[in-house]
Amino acid sequence: AQKITQTQPGMFVQEKEAVTLDCTYDTSDPSYGLFWYKQPSSGEMIFLIYQGSYDQQNATEGRYSLNFQKARKSANLVISASQLGDSAMYFCAMFRLYSGGYQKVTFGTGTKLQVIP
Amino acid sequence: DTGVSQNPRHKITKRGQNVTFRCDPISEHNRLYWYRQTLGQGPEFLTYFQNEAQLEKSRLLSDRFSAERPKGSFSTLEIQRTEQGDSAMYLCASSSTGEHRGYTFGSGTRLTVV
Repeated sequence: AQKITQTQPGMFVQEKEAVTLDCTYDTSDPSYGLFWYKQPSSGEMIFLIYQGSYDQQNATEGRYSLNFQKARKSANLVISASQLGDSAMYFCAMFRLYSGGYQKVTFGTGTKLQVIP
Repeated sequence: DTGVSQNPRHKITKRGQNVTFRCDPISEHNRLYWYRQTLGQGPEFLTYFQNEAQLEKSRLLSDRFSAERPKGSFSTLEIQRTEQGDSAMYLCASSSTGEHRGYTFGSGTRLTVV
């Protein structure tokens, strides 16, 4: 079974500062993928960044970077230069490939980030 | 391509009534997923379609729940005899074969059972 743990229910960050959202995972699969999604109050889940278990380099997408430490089974999200629009729930998630190639994604419980002006 | 579309955005219903939600995935995506998200939790997997075939159903999907994807295009999720515990956000997502960078989610349907 897969499990995602997000230990920070809520975080505050000053505008323009960087913030790290923690995520640890547990899986026995050698091949997996890790994601971060953003969910604003409107409800839509917005894909932010992806890291494959075999990727050698940490993923980056604009102001988002994923600090992937495979041995520690952690996949922290770093948001640089926070903006007011970054205020939202952030979910760490993992997928496993099943026979037939489809994905089933397991989500953490989320971290609510509030950016302070 | 307008992304994944879900209707309605909000639904308030009385306990015991039936409700149906619709999801229109991205047109070239052959995989479609339904998730349920309750307050304070992350989304939980409900069911998966590849084209028109429903290949997996979670134990969360009781007999009161049924999902279809006729012709492998849009999908519907029906809840019969709704209960207050069914109140949640129902999220639809789609992806294409070989895509392993994650789903594209819709904006969800928020169901409130009173």
